[in-house]
Amino acid sequence: EVQLVESGGGLVQPGGSLRLSCAASGFTFSNYWMHWARQVPGKGLMWVSRINTDGKITDYADSVKGRFTISRDNAKNTLYLQMNSLRDEDTAIYYCVSDPVGGTNYWGQGTLVTVSS
Amino acid sequence: EIVMTQSPATLSVSPGERATLSCRASQSVSSNLAWYQLKPGQAPRLLIYDVSTRATGIPARFSGSGSGTEFTLTISSLQSEDFAVYYCQQYNYWLFTFGQGTKLEIK
Repeated sequence: EVQLVESGGGLVQPGGSLRLSCAASGFTFSNYWMHWARQVPGKGLMWVSRINTDGKITDYADSVKGRFTISRDNAKNTLYLQMNSLRDEDTAIYYCVSDPVGGTNYWGQGTLVTVSS
Repeated sequence: EIVMTQSPATLSVSPGERATLSCRASQSVSSNLAWYQLKPGQAPRLLIYDVSTRATGIPARFSGSGSGTEFTLTISSLQSEDFAVYYCQQYNYWLFTFGQGTKLEIK
């Protein structure tokens, strides 16, 4: 069974930092691109970042470019999102998402990041 | 950035009836179009990818169609568990982008 489990969310002040982690199991993690997406509670969805299988190719939404860094450790089956210079508008539920595995993609349960003073 | 526009914003339909949701892309996204279902407190659920391919485990009452810039999600014979918010998403270009959502509510 494919599982993605995020951790690392919480309350942080504007300008602060957080590191999200996503532990993957049930599939060959190193064979798949991985992604981070977010949802502002009660509002829409936004794709945040993606990373290729060996970690050498990364892409970001313009709104987070230069502040967020996606990375992965294939030996640990773990995806990361380092978030710096956080802003109020970064408040959201952050989801770890897999590329399609066997006819569907998989989403974690989400971790809430709240940026507030 | 590709802008995805969904209509209507809210759709009221009775259980057992058909629902038709629309999605328009600001430029062609080829066949790289997906539909997601979102319920409160749950992660998004992939329903359809590549315009018309049902994801694993998705019931046959969900179907997708369209090409280029105009796409449709049809839910035949609505069940109680289908009342939710639906999003279309293009993945032809980075940044992958979502529509603003259509809320499907019970009439």
